[in-house]
Amino acid sequence: GAVVSQHPSRVICKSGTSVKIECRSLDFQATTMFWYRQFPKKSLMLMATSNEGSKATYEQGVEKDKFLINHASLTLSTLTVTSAHPEDSSFYICSAQTGGGQPQHFGDGTRLSIL
Amino acid sequence: GNSVTQMEGPVTLSEEAFLTINCTYTATGYPSLFWYVQYPGEGLQLLLKATKADDKGSNKGFEATYRKETTSFHLEKGSVQVSDSAVYFCALSAVPAGGTSYGKLTFGQGTILTVHP
Repeated sequence: GAVVSQHPSRVICKSGTSVKIECRSLDFQATTMFWYRQFPKKSLMLMATSNEGSKATYEQGVEKDKFLINHASLTLSTLTVTSAHPEDSSFYICSAQTGGGQPQHFGDGTRLSIL
Repeated sequence: GNSVTQMEGPVTLSEEAFLTINCTYTATGYPSLFWYVQYPGEGLQLLLKATKADDKGSNKGFEATYRKETTSFHLEKGSVQVSDSAVYFCALSAVPAGGTSYGKLTFGQGTILTVHP
């Protein structure tokens, strides 16, 4: 149980395009979803926290207009990297949680490469 | 604020060796503690957790005990296998006294473990 599916697993696109990444909880309802960014051989950096039906809360230094997050249902959150540039290339990971204090369950991540 | 400190890696062991990865934390409130494992090219998987002092989390031969007096949550395994090679992250989720959990995880920097046959 507690499976989180992230799609796509890998994407390569040209600079200036927008890329959408989906995060789905397959067998549970996620009241909260989190989006992380991970640089090579580094820890995870929390980008934002999203609760179903409300605006995402962004961490300090994360551009909300650059990284658009939508949490439209209890099983789906999306991260859209707008007008992507090479410096946005990274490994993006989502996680989902059934409620406060419960473990987060992670997706397998999306490798984003901007040429 | 909350923070998690893990021992510096990488850690390289031979198969069947004993593993310890140290983790200490600082937190406000009453943290839950977690160990996550990340295999190459994948997301994180929850390995084990402990939600209160003196709890011992265990899974797949790994175990860690929540030590409030030393603010530690060291990961141990008696006999590692090649398949245990991965990055291990210690993390906490702190619940403020009298409040609800925010659910945000604070991660350590990760420890790379390589096990040779």
